[in-house]
Amino acid sequence: NAGVTQTPKFRVLKTGQSMTLLCAQDMNHEYMYWYRQDPGMGLRLIHYSVGEGTTAKGEVPDGYNVSRLKKQNFLLGLESAAPSQTSVYFCASSYARGVTEAFFGQGTRLTVV
Amino acid sequence: DAKTTQPTSMDCAEGRAANLPCNHSTISGNEYVYWYRQIHSQGPQYIIHGLKNNETNEMASLIITEDRKSSTLILPHATLRDTAVYYCIVRVSNNDMRFGAGTRLTVKP
Repeated sequence: NAGVTQTPKFRVLKTGQSMTLLCAQDMNHEYMYWYRQDPGMGLRLIHYSVGEGTTAKGEVPDGYNVSRLKKQNFLLGLESAAPSQTSVYFCASSYARGVTEAFFGQGTRLTVV
Repeated sequence: DAKTTQPTSMDCAEGRAANLPCNHSTISGNEYVYWYRQIHSQGPQYIIHGLKNNETNEMASLIITEDRKSSTLILPHATLRDTAVYYCIVRVSNNDMRFGAGTRLTVKP
C-alpha cells in the first residue's frame, strides 16, 4: 500500500516551459487536492477534486490547470511556468464521506529559473 | 469554514507536555476541529480531530472548550521528533481543506 505518490520529486524548469505533476493514490479516495508551499509559509490550496471527472478552484488557482480522468490520479499542469511558481507542491487525498483524515504525498520541489 | 488563529511559534522542553492553542471563535455547530503537523519539509500528517468532546489517541489529546471557540492540542511527553509546524483547521466536510500558517513548535533538550 503506497498511499499517495507524487512524481517527480524534483524538477527545474525554464521560464515559459510546461510540465505536469502527477499524483497517484491507491486508497480508493474520492477527494484529491493540490497545494503549494512557499518558504516559511503554510500550505495554500490550488485546486481540488471531489470525484473522477470533476475539479474545483482553491485559493490560488491562477497559472495552473488540473485533470482527474481516473479516480486514482490527479494531474497538476503548468502551461507556461513562471519564477513565481517556484515552490514545493503537495498532493493529498481523502474519503468523501464522514469525518476523515487526509493523506499527503512527500512533495515535489519545483524551481523555475 | 471558520478562520483559526494560532501563535506563530512555541518552545517546549523535552519530556514535558506541549500545549498548543487554537482560537476559532466563529466556528459553527457542525464544524470539526482537525490538527495536522508538518515535520521539516515532509507532507503534513494527521494527528487528531474532534467536534465537542475531548479526544485522545496514541499521538495526542484534543481539548475543546465548552463554547467551542478554542481548543488545545496536547502532546503529553514531547520529544525532539515532535519539533514541527502544527496546523489547526476547522471544517465541515472534506471539500475544500485550507491550512493557515500554523504554530512552529520547537522541542528543546
